[in-house]
Amino acid sequence: DMQMTQSPTTLSASVGDRVIITCRASESIGSWLAWYQQKPGKAPKLLIYRASSLESGVPSRFSGSGSGTEFTLTISSLQPDDFAIYYCQQYNSYPCIFGQGTKLEIK
Amino acid sequence: QVQLVQSGAEVKKPGASVKVSCKASGFTFTSSGITWVRQAPGQGLEWMGWISGFNGNTNYAQKVQGRVTMTRDTSTSTAYMELRSLRPDDTAVYFCARRGDYGDYQVDWGQGTLVTVSS
Repeated sequence: DMQMTQSPTTLSASVGDRVIITCRASESIGSWLAWYQQKPGKAPKLLIYRASSLESGVPSRFSGSGSGTEFTLTISSLQPDDFAIYYCQQYNSYPCIFGQGTKLEIK
Repeated sequence: QVQLVQSGAEVKKPGASVKVSCKASGFTFTSSGITWVRQAPGQGLEWMGWISGFNGNTNYAQKVQGRVTMTRDTSTSTAYMELRSLRPDDTAVYFCARRGDYGDYQVDWGQGTLVTVSS
């Protein structure tokens, strides 16, 4: 079965920092990757689809890159509202599994 | 604006069934798809499957295949997810979500429905 592995599992950072979260697929998925942000008690929110396409209304400090098996989500300058859990998801093939999540904490 | 409104929390005994509804508005239901994702307490997201609003075709995750049925009612723009033979490890928040135009990523989400399975 396909596996999606995110790193790091937890990331401590400060407001204003640039952070990068990595997602690796166990086999090539082309550019069929999405990123989500989830806050406690809330539904996930779509940030990025097709590896690098910014969803409407999402701040431009979020960006995605990569293709094949290695992908990154970059937040260029962390804002207080960005502390949350981030998930990647592949949708190249079924089941459309998610990574295990990366918790972004305040340093 | 797009809205997905789910039914309320449920408490079920092991072996029972649960049916969660997801009423859609703000988009053309028959031109989209609805995906179901669940999240056990303190855990990550698990894709369960999806149903086409157009023709009702479905695709289920192997983990729940045989226990899950996803249906839709186009007259009310409502999607349903029924899970049978419930086990304690089915305890989770169940989300419905509108499928993206270019693939099975989830653009808009319901508020989630907590299903608790306990004797």
